[in-house]
Amino acid sequence: RKEVEQDPGPFNVPEGATVAFNCTYSNSASQSFFWYRQDCRKEPKLLMSVYSSGNEDGRFTAQLNRASQYISLLIRDSKLSDSATYLCVVNAGGSYIPTFGRGTSLIVHP
Amino acid sequence: GAGVSQSPRYKVTKRGQDVALRCDPISGHVSLYWYRQALGQGPEFLTYFNYEAQQDKSGLPNDRFSAERPEGSISTLTIQRTEQRDSAMYRCASSVAEGLAGASYFGPGTRLTVL
Repeated sequence: RKEVEQDPGPFNVPEGATVAFNCTYSNSASQSFFWYRQDCRKEPKLLMSVYSSGNEDGRFTAQLNRASQYISLLIRDSKLSDSATYLCVVNAGGSYIPTFGRGTSLIVHP
Repeated sequence: GAGVSQSPRYKVTKRGQDVALRCDPISGHVSLYWYRQALGQGPEFLTYFNYEAQQDKSGLPNDRFSAERPEGSISTLTIQRTEQRDSAMYRCASSVAEGLAGASYFGPGTRLTVL
């Protein structure tokens, strides 16, 4: 089993839709979690950290489920500009090496 | 500079040649990471530094790969006797502290093609 797993998609959604992605991790000792966004042919950019209590940034909500070992990203009112690949990142406790998932592709269409 | 820079952006080389890829992190950032990213995959860890000290090189594929950060700022990833399988996007990222490794700023990458 891979350390960090994501459904590669693509997820095709219309503008205005709500879409959610999950990312599962295998190491129960994982301590910190992040979501990155990567546009085609560009570098990954940090989107948001994922806190135990969950956190929200505008239309984006990230949540952590430690019992089931997954994190989620919810995007409300999707925009065309949200089209990108979303990468989850997990840091195991005591490790300073981030492990990236393969990313989930999102395509928002008119 | 305002962000992480990498050079060259594109490198085409012949099999057997050595290449050196450069990363200039955000000023003041303690940690510097090197990754390799294949198409359709997430970045794969290679090695990282805190200041000038190489903390972990477990991701380097073999002994043809090495990296240094002699003054705790600019870093160089060197690949000796390149092979076609080394062709990939090589990315560098920096973070303000080791404990914030997951919250890093990436450079634009160097696309390496080995013929």
